[in-house]
Amino acid sequence: DTAVSQTPKYLVTQMGNDKSIKCEQNLGHDTMYWYKQDSKKFLKIMFSYNNKELIINETVPNRFSPKSPDKAHLNLHINSLELGDSAVYFCASSLSEDRHSPLHFGNGTRLTVT
Amino acid sequence: GENVEQHPSTLSVQEGDSAVIKCTYSDSASNYFPWYKQELGKRPQLIIDIRSNVGEKKDQRIAVTLNKTAKHFSLHITETQPEDSAVYFCAARDTGRRALTFGSGTRLQVQP
Repeated sequence: DTAVSQTPKYLVTQMGNDKSIKCEQNLGHDTMYWYKQDSKKFLKIMFSYNNKELIINETVPNRFSPKSPDKAHLNLHINSLELGDSAVYFCASSLSEDRHSPLHFGNGTRLTVT
Repeated sequence: GENVEQHPSTLSVQEGDSAVIKCTYSDSASNYFPWYKQELGKRPQLIIDIRSNVGEKKDQRIAVTLNKTAKHFSLHITETQPEDSAVYFCAARDTGRRALTFGSGTRLQVQP
């Protein structure tokens, strides 16, 4: 019963393709995030949703489009994939009413663009 | 927004020695400072956290200290073991955005 689950775990695709990553949490949290971890291990926030509402949208190419159908799910769709998109993408969740709520991470999706 | 700097980027210690990782943050309104451990190929996992109204917190071999005035916080690991080898991240919560801003990570290697 994984708390934050992402699929797929690995994604290998060619430049120009479109792909999606799915995330689900069963912790009862109301805020979900996408973080990108590059080859140097930097963890950078991309998006955050609170109760299906987009609250953080960092400087990310508009080829990346998050979607949250409900507060337990957050998906990430990427159009026209580029080599530089290769990274590990982590989904995470937290409870917004607790200012000291830690982030709970999924196991990550390793995206490789060839 | 928040900016978190972390040092050192790599740290090698002998088993049984102590390890210290330091972070600074920029937003004086930040009030929550967690530390995450990431083993190779795995997700970051919370190991300890501290709130802004506390100066120090300890959990067995791990302790965290916070100096709000200087906007510094540090992770201390005592009696290090080979299984402590991992990448450690500090983070700070930007009260305006709710997301965590992470430091650049410290790769700790404990030599047996």
